[in-house]
Amino acid sequence: ELKVEQNPLFLSMQEGKNYTIYCNYSTTSDRLYWYRQDPGKSLESLFVLLSNGAVKQEGRLMASLDTKARLSTLHITAAVHDLSATYFCALGAGTASKLTFGTGTRLQVTL
Amino acid sequence: NAGVMQNPRHLVRRRGQEARLRCSPMKGHSHVYWYRQLPEEGLKFMVYLQKENIIDESGMPKERFSAEFPKEGPSILRIQQVVRGDSAAYFCASSPPATGGAGELFFGEGSRLTVL
Repeated sequence: ELKVEQNPLFLSMQEGKNYTIYCNYSTTSDRLYWYRQDPGKSLESLFVLLSNGAVKQEGRLMASLDTKARLSTLHITAAVHDLSATYFCALGAGTASKLTFGTGTRLQVTL
Repeated sequence: NAGVMQNPRHLVRRRGQEARLRCSPMKGHSHVYWYRQLPEEGLKFMVYLQKENIIDESGMPKERFSAEFPKEGPSILRIQQVVRGDSAAYFCASSPPATGGAGELFFGEGSRLTVL
């Protein structure tokens, strides 16, 4: 059974600081996704990582994938308040798009 | 180009009643997935459907829950004789026909069920 763990579960950081969210998973996977969820809202797709060593960046967020270590990271650079949300990693395997989600990291960026 | 549409957005039921949640996938998408999110938790897969077929229902509770995706009309997740533990947000997602296995899911805004 595929298990996905994120840490930390909760992160409070000041604006302007850098931090990293970690996503560990237990078995081989074809692809890894990062999603953002605002309270009471749906999930917004941030990144799709398909191969070992993949790195993608969008604004202040950068995601990477190390399939050998079964680890993905989401790095936040110079955080701003608008980044406050819950971030989920999710893994897909096989031909269907069924995903296994991590527990989520609730990020709070304070002024 | 409308996204994944779910309704109702909020639903309140008393214990023992039935809840029906509807999902219309994005245009051109033929695969529908239902996920459940309990408060302060991640999403858990429930069921994967294509038109008129249940492909994978490994995440569905054995009793009271059913899902369908008819040839015409939206996908429906049905919960019979609801209990308080069914209170959750139910998200529907859709994807286009499989393209080498890297299909991305597009999520609706969810239906939030509260059982009194």
